[in-house]
Amino acid sequence: DQQVKQNSPSLSVQEGRISILNCDYTNSMFDYFLWYKKYPAEGPTFLISISSIKDKNEDGRFTVFLNKSAKHLSLHIVPSQPGDSAVYFCAAPARGSNYQLIWGAGTKLIIKP
Amino acid sequence: NAGVTQTPKFRVLKTGQSMTLLCAQDMNHEYMYWYRQDPGMGLRLIHYSVGEGTTAKGEVPDGYNVSRLKKQNFLLGLESAAPSQTSVYFCASSYAQGRTEAFFGQGTRLTVV
Repeated sequence: DQQVKQNSPSLSVQEGRISILNCDYTNSMFDYFLWYKKYPAEGPTFLISISSIKDKNEDGRFTVFLNKSAKHLSLHIVPSQPGDSAVYFCAAPARGSNYQLIWGAGTKLIIKP
Repeated sequence: NAGVTQTPKFRVLKTGQSMTLLCAQDMNHEYMYWYRQDPGMGLRLIHYSVGEGTTAKGEVPDGYNVSRLKKQNFLLGLESAAPSQTSVYFCASSYAQGRTEAFFGQGTRLTVV
């Protein structure tokens, strides 16, 4: 069973504070993870990724942390800005399925002014 | 700077009608994908292609057919539309599979009544 789970459908954060979006996976064979961001009426756009050989990857305001023992990753956005309001998807390529991406259900992030 | 372009953006079909969704990319990518997104769920892969003239089934291929006659185009066909195919459809392309960024079109919202 190769699942990627995002258990929080939505998250509301004050502008300027930290946003933390979580993602859990069930298969320890996953060794690479990607985060995508999606605005309404647009397609997803790639945000940041992490390989299982690392436990952290940072790109500007965005940092992804990977905890392999807990099969958990999180995306931190600091500081949160109004333009960060979007749906965030976690995804992982499945090695046993020709590297097809397995997607989480997404978390809607709302940044309050 | 088109990237991935999908046509049409919206469509309403009656049950049993057929239609074709067109996806075009101008990035010379080998890999192309068709996904559907339903409320509360992540993106699910319908079909994909690893190069011109090739197609393969994804997670939810039933009721759909695809063709990749030219490298830049990937067509998704519904031969006999059903209400269960009401969804938002996304096309994507990438230069490699799995661990690389995929570029998405803006989506096609299809309603089958």
